[in-house]
Amino acid sequence: QLQLQESGPGLVKPSETLSLVCTVSGGSITSSSYYWGWIRQPPGKGLECIGIIYYNENTFYNPSLKSRVTISVDTSKNQFSLKLSSVTAADTAVYFCASLISIFGVIPPDYFDYWGQGTLVTVSS
Amino acid sequence: QAVLTQPSSLSASPGASASLTCTLRSGINVGTYRIYWYQQKPGSPPQYLLKYKSDSDKQQGSGVPSRFSGSKDASANAGILLISGLQSEDEADYYCMIWHSSAVVFGGGTRLTVL
Repeated sequence: QLQLQESGPGLVKPSETLSLVCTVSGGSITSSSYYWGWIRQPPGKGLECIGIIYYNENTFYNPSLKSRVTISVDTSKNQFSLKLSSVTAADTAVYFCASLISIFGVIPPDYFDYWGQGTLVTVSS
Repeated sequence: QAVLTQPSSLSASPGASASLTCTLRSGINVGTYRIYWYQQKPGSPPQYLLKYKSDSDKQQGSGVPSRFSGSKDASANAGILLISGLQSEDEADYYCMIWHSSAVVFGGGTRLTVL
């Protein structure tokens, strides 16, 4: 059973870059069965998928965030990462990482089956 | 206009049924999409419930009671999550999701109150 754990600063200043890492355990990030995704949820609001990545670095980003987002994978550490640049207060949210089923990386992928517990990132000076 | 629209809230009584809708934006045909449903309780990540495209293309999530089922209303261009025999533990936020234009898209969510 996969386990995912988000880590990173809980406070980021406006205009700076938010950086988070998701560590995957109980399975390999090079599995052919999964994309790996970042999803966020502003306090009291709904879910927004930021983007997803396959172990071969094939990525799909939310068009509304694409210009500010980079998602990467580190197979040596069994981790994938999120960088979101030029943050504002609107980027304050709980950030989740999750595994997205996709056999052999086929598009469209299927559903998010395992999730991290989420980490709150606040953008404030 | 959002790709997926869900009513912000819904209330229903224990033992009754609740029908949660997920309406696709005009011009996006619900018939061509597989719709996924998630349940989220306070302080926890979402949990996958089920997916539905048609009666021959659907799947219940592991351990999800058969009280939860999916369908579509083509005339309303909407996906539907039906919860029958409502229990207090069903009180939660529910989100629909599709894959659209090379991206994962979530609906805004419906808060279901069981009272």
